[in-house]
Amino acid sequence: ETGVTQTPRHLVMGMTNKKSLKCEQHLGHNAMYWYKQSAKKPLELMFVYSLEERVENNSVPSRFSPECPNSSHLFLHLHTLQPEDSALYLCASSQDYRTGGNTGELFFGEGSRLTVL
Amino acid sequence: AQTVTQSQPEMSVQEAETVTLSCTYDTSESNYYLFWYKQPPSRQMILVIRQEAYKQQNATENRFSVNFQKAAKSFSLKISDSQLGDTAMYFCAFTPLQGGSEKLVFGKGTKLTVNP
Repeated sequence: ETGVTQTPRHLVMGMTNKKSLKCEQHLGHNAMYWYKQSAKKPLELMFVYSLEERVENNSVPSRFSPECPNSSHLFLHLHTLQPEDSALYLCASSQDYRTGGNTGELFFGEGSRLTVL
Repeated sequence: AQTVTQSQPEMSVQEAETVTLSCTYDTSESNYYLFWYKQPPSRQMILVIRQEAYKQQNATENRFSVNFQKAAKSFSLKISDSQLGDTAMYFCAFTPLQGGSEKLVFGKGTKLTVNP
């Protein structure tokens, strides 16, 4: 059983579709992250929310839109994607260092495998 | 900028043998954490082992141990008595002590296959 749950696990979409990825964490953490994992490349940090506020946005194209309604839920809204956006999207959570208890460790979900046709 | 380099894209080892995965990093920070994460096929990434840079003693977790050489900025992972379940991608990662986990930097990973 994982403390970080991602849905859907697999998603195929056309370039004109709009879809969303969902992440939920049951660990009591207050920071959540979206990473993009492509083959033979380091994990790319996309967005970070801490205490429900976005604290990092690594110049991600606007066709990716994050939403963090509370500290347990994180969404990634997708629209007008390109084939090069096909990848594994990982959600992670942690305790924000400013609230104590941070060990630097991230807790990951199993990922959402996205294919853009 | 901090960087993490894993020079071995793929490795293989026979079951029950020992294997060492290499990792080097570059930083001007003096205090930081280093990690090895494991990502089995189609499963979630999990933490294998963590090292605080201010600790001279190498971290160990059961069959997993590290060789941390701070001056050389090297952080290798040794897996003893390899098991089939150790087959996975292994990622080395670095984060400075100051700042949140958004500063975590990953290497490209090493794909380890344990053969029966």
